[in-house]
Parts: sequence; structure tokens; C-alpha cells
Amino acid sequence: NAGVTQTPKFQVLKTGQSMTLQCAQDMNHEYMSWYRQDPGMGLRLIHYSVGAGITDQGEVPNGYNVSRSTTEDFPLRLLSAAPSQTSVYFCASSYKGRGEGEAFFGQGTRLTVV
Amino acid sequence: GEDVEQSLFLSVREGDSSVINCTYTDSSSTYLYWYKQEPGAGLQLLTYIFSNMDMKQDQRLTVLLNKKDKHLSLRIADTQTGDSAIYFCADWSDTGNQFYFGTGTSLTVIP
Repeated sequence: NAGVTQTPKFQVLKTGQSMTLQCAQDMNHEYMSWYRQDPGMGLRLIHYSVGAGITDQGEVPNGYNVSRSTTEDFPLRLLSAAPSQTSVYFCASSYKGRGEGEAFFGQGTRLTVV
Repeated sequence: GEDVEQSLFLSVREGDSSVINCTYTDSSSTYLYWYKQEPGAGLQLLTYIFSNMDMKQDQRLTVLLNKKDKHLSLRIADTQTGDSAIYFCADWSDTGNQFYFGTGTSLTVIP
């Protein structure tokens, strides 16, 4: 049981490049989400999904796209990277997202945009 | 949206108790959580409390909830150097359909 797997662990991008951060979970969780963590700001929600085919925006969605074609995978796409997107990104999943169960987090992707 | 506030830093001596505080604004919060983040790692759930409880104890951890003041605290008894980490308070919002996290409190344990 791998839990939540994020790849890559580290990435350096040039301004304007695009890339996809991968997230996969093997717990059959319906709710998946992406956060970014910045110093002094805690975790801020980028996008979330309550099931395959359903996604919605969080607090800071601009510059990011998501899709959820399967229950297991929830990739995050950066369309045109900007230095303001330098951050640590976490993917998380939980059973229903109703608060009754814990959220399981991936190990994070440290992204630097130069 | 929901606001979850924490102080940024706390320093304690090994063997002392640590108390990390958190305030939140959503009166409809049903579950409140404490997560721990060690360096270079993701967040791991430490404990949680249901909103109809005042207190929950789990080994060295004690969670106190004052729902009237919307105040949550985490007490770690006999703090060890391995407890040094960032601790996040979080709650689940049914209206926002998401978890809201505080800024995190960086706990440093001095040997």
C-alpha cells in the first residue's frame, strides 16, 4: 500500500515553461486535492476533486489546471511557469472529504521557477 | 473563507510541556485536526477532535477545544527532540468543501 505518491520530488523550470506534477493514490479515495506551501502562509488549496470527472477551484487556482480521469490520478499542470509559482506542492487524498477521515499527503514536490 | 490562525514559532526545553494554540472562524466546523510535518516530508495526522468534545487525550497528546471561543490547543507532554517539527491546525468546512490549514507552528525542542 503506497498511499499518495507524488513525482517529481524536485524540479527547476524556466519562466514560461510548462510541466505536470503527478499524483497517484491507491486507497480508492474519492477526494483529492493540491496545495501549495509557502513560508508563513501555511497550505493553500489550489484545486480539488470529489471524484473522477469532477474538479473545482480552491483558493489560489490561477496558473494551474487539473483533471481527474480516474479515481487514482490527479495531475496538476502549470501552463506557463512564473517565479511566483516557486513553492512546495502537496497532493492529498481522503476518503470522502467530509472531514470524517484524515487526509493523506504525498511527500511534496519542491518547484523552483527561474 | 475560513481563517485558521497559529503563532509561527515555539521553543521549549526537552522534558517540558509544549502548548500550541490555534483559533478558527468557521462556527460550523465539525472536525478539527492537528498535523505534524517533519523536514522534507509531507503532513501526517497526529490527532483530531470532533466538535462536540471538549478534550481528547492520546498518550502524550492532549487536545482542548473551546468551541465558544473557537480556540483549539495541542499539548505535548514530556516534549522530546524528536517532536521538533511544524504543527498545523486544520478544520474541515462543509460550506467550502475543503480543509483549511493554519500557517503552522514551528516547534523547536532544546536539549
